[in-house]
Amino acid sequence: EPEVTQTPSHQVTQMGQEVILRCVPISNHLYFYWYRQILGQKVEFLVSFYNNEISEKSEIFDDQFSVERPDGSNFTLKIRSTKLEDSAMYFCASSEAPRGYNEQFFGPGTRLTVL
Amino acid sequence: AQSVAQPEDQVNVAEGNPLTVKCTYSVSGNPYLFWYVQYPNRGLQFLLKYITGDNLVKGSYGFEAEFNKSQTSFHLKKPSALVSDSALYFCAVRDIMVTGGGNKLTFGTGTQLKVEL
Repeated sequence: EPEVTQTPSHQVTQMGQEVILRCVPISNHLYFYWYRQILGQKVEFLVSFYNNEISEKSEIFDDQFSVERPDGSNFTLKIRSTKLEDSAMYFCASSEAPRGYNEQFFGPGTRLTVL
Repeated sequence: AQSVAQPEDQVNVAEGNPLTVKCTYSVSGNPYLFWYVQYPNRGLQFLLKYITGDNLVKGSYGFEAEFNKSQTSFHLKKPSALVSDSALYFCAVRDIMVTGGGNKLTFGTGTQLKVEL
């Protein structure tokens, strides 16, 4: 069964450093997402991406964040200058089509720890 | 704005008994509703969804959910719980009236289900 994959599974970084989280969505999916889950809290939407551009972003997704689909398979989330409060589990997701009723398939997550 | 409430942090049930995990939602228009399950150190796995039509939706692993528009609820149910069902369950909503095409899902805070022998 196809699945979303994410690397690395755990990333430790120093405050102020740049990190890139990587995702490989399901191959025939066209819509991509990033969510995050701070420990013990709810899953929060960050950004959605379709047709090589951002479709929607939350207030969390400020200028320190960016997304990119550098090739036909990868989807990345970059945090330019990490803060302590960026420590969270980051989930990538994808869905078949840009329809709100399509379920989103989630990857296993990258745990980001900012020291 | 769209929102979801899961009023129970934890639900305990004996194996073989029926289980219910509660979810209520708030949207401007009509909702698309989803249930996901998260096992330890794993991502979110899709269980089932409600789009339109029959209010009782059947999903994976014997789970089902009932959409109730008047009560704005979408409770997850299973007739006979298994120990292996123990996990964290999330309800999520998408308001179909929201334009912009972002398909943002709004999640509840999650309910920890514990099934004991």
